[in-house]
Amino acid sequence: DGGITQSPKYLFRKEGQNVTLSCEQNLNHDAMYWYRQDPGQGLRLIYYSQIVNDFQKGDIAEGYSVSREKKESFPLTVTSAQKNPTAFYLCASNDRDNQPQHFGDGTRLSIL
Amino acid sequence: GNSVTQMEGPVTLSEEAFLTINCTYTATGYPSLFWYVQYPGEGLQLLLKATKADDKGSNKGFEATYRKETTSFHLEKGSVQVSDSAVYFCALTTSGGYNKLIFGAGTRLAVHP
Repeated sequence: DGGITQSPKYLFRKEGQNVTLSCEQNLNHDAMYWYRQDPGQGLRLIYYSQIVNDFQKGDIAEGYSVSREKKESFPLTVTSAQKNPTAFYLCASNDRDNQPQHFGDGTRLSIL
Repeated sequence: GNSVTQMEGPVTLSEEAFLTINCTYTATGYPSLFWYVQYPGEGLQLLLKATKADDKGSNKGFEATYRKETTSFHLEKGSVQVSDSAVYFCALTTSGGYNKLIFGAGTRLAVHP
């Protein structure tokens, strides 16, 4: 079945450490997105990519970095500069012609 | 700027009750409107969508009508089930080369037997 796979499901970060969240899709979608979800709040856009080797900052990009070396993969790195990283992170993808976004099952990041 | 406002939750209902979750939006141009549902510990699933004024989206007994005159997209279901307990998000995308989704804060629904 086609879909989006996020891993790991749970992740713990130590002080000063960078961690990378994986997102892979086999839907052949051009565009991919990373969102952050905090309790009781909606989703906020971190980064998005419309095409391989290109990506743009979303609304809350500070402390995060991404790469898009392959169409099917869009990993997110939470750097030590992100002082409040505890959240639920969701990856999504879609075609560029205004189709709905498909979401993965998320990664929950916590601080040790 | 573009924004989505949803009614605050939680909404608590008995099984077979009628459900309405209000959603209003502010947007330039002609946005597409969506309802997503999130079950505990999972990602978001598209529930329904509407792409132009007066369109009605429907799925699994849920309905919502795109009302341009009132800038609303309220979610309704005639008879809820315990399995409908989840968080519901209203969202919009603006026209353009890609779909930046703008979400409401979400409304938690709890249905009791």
